[in-house]
Amino acid sequence: QSALTQPPSVSGSPGQSVTISCTGTSSDVGSYNRVSWYQQTPGTAPKLMIYEVSNRPSGVPDRFSGSKSGNTASLTISGLQAEDEADYYCSLYTSSNVVFGGGTKLTVL
Amino acid sequence: EVQLVESGGGLVQPGGSLRLSCAASGFTFSSYDMHWVRQATGKGLEWVSAFGTAGDTYYPGSVKGRFTISRENAKNSLYLQMNSLRVGDTAVYYCARVGLPHGGWYFDLWGRGTLVTVSS
Repeated sequence: QSALTQPPSVSGSPGQSVTISCTGTSSDVGSYNRVSWYQQTPGTAPKLMIYEVSNRPSGVPDRFSGSKSGNTASLTISGLQAEDEADYYCSLYTSSNVVFGGGTKLTVL
Repeated sequence: EVQLVESGGGLVQPGGSLRLSCAASGFTFSSYDMHWVRQATGKGLEWVSAFGTAGDTYYPGSVKGRFTISRENAKNSLYLQMNSLRVGDTAVYYCARVGLPHGGWYFDLWGRGTLVTVSS
């Protein structure tokens, strides 16, 4: 199974909104709602930000939201803050494997 | 405290073997599917293997036949036996727990990782 496609980088100024896309196919993203998003800062383990397309774990700010349309899932971060600067990965969990996107580096200008 | 702690990483020559361990604490280990995920320096995340609570195991093609995942619920431990190691297996290896007992399609708990370096 191929990796999911994410833009290598996105950027935004504090207070703005950014959206990171995660594109698959009708056989993976289009067929499952098991898309999750992870945030990773240098030297640390990934942190779960969104699960099952649009659910937010406790403790994750409501500035983070997820959605899906067709074969593309998206992570939107509104009201950007400096602390949001990190790498973000989408992931799809099927019945027999897990696939990650290539990752997107978010720069807060 | 709910946590995962990996160990066993190190330097190994191509073709060699290494066994990683992941010690779990603070939760009912036997009730959760467990996974290994790796990350080469400066690269993205790559799923390595899974061990379900029903005893089912899964691997991607890149490691199938070379890596073996196992677990000892009595010791709250997950393992990864890595054989025929290649330079391309060099990475930080993370242990990860799925989000719900007997299910969950996401990873809500990660260890800090252990570095495996394959080099001559």
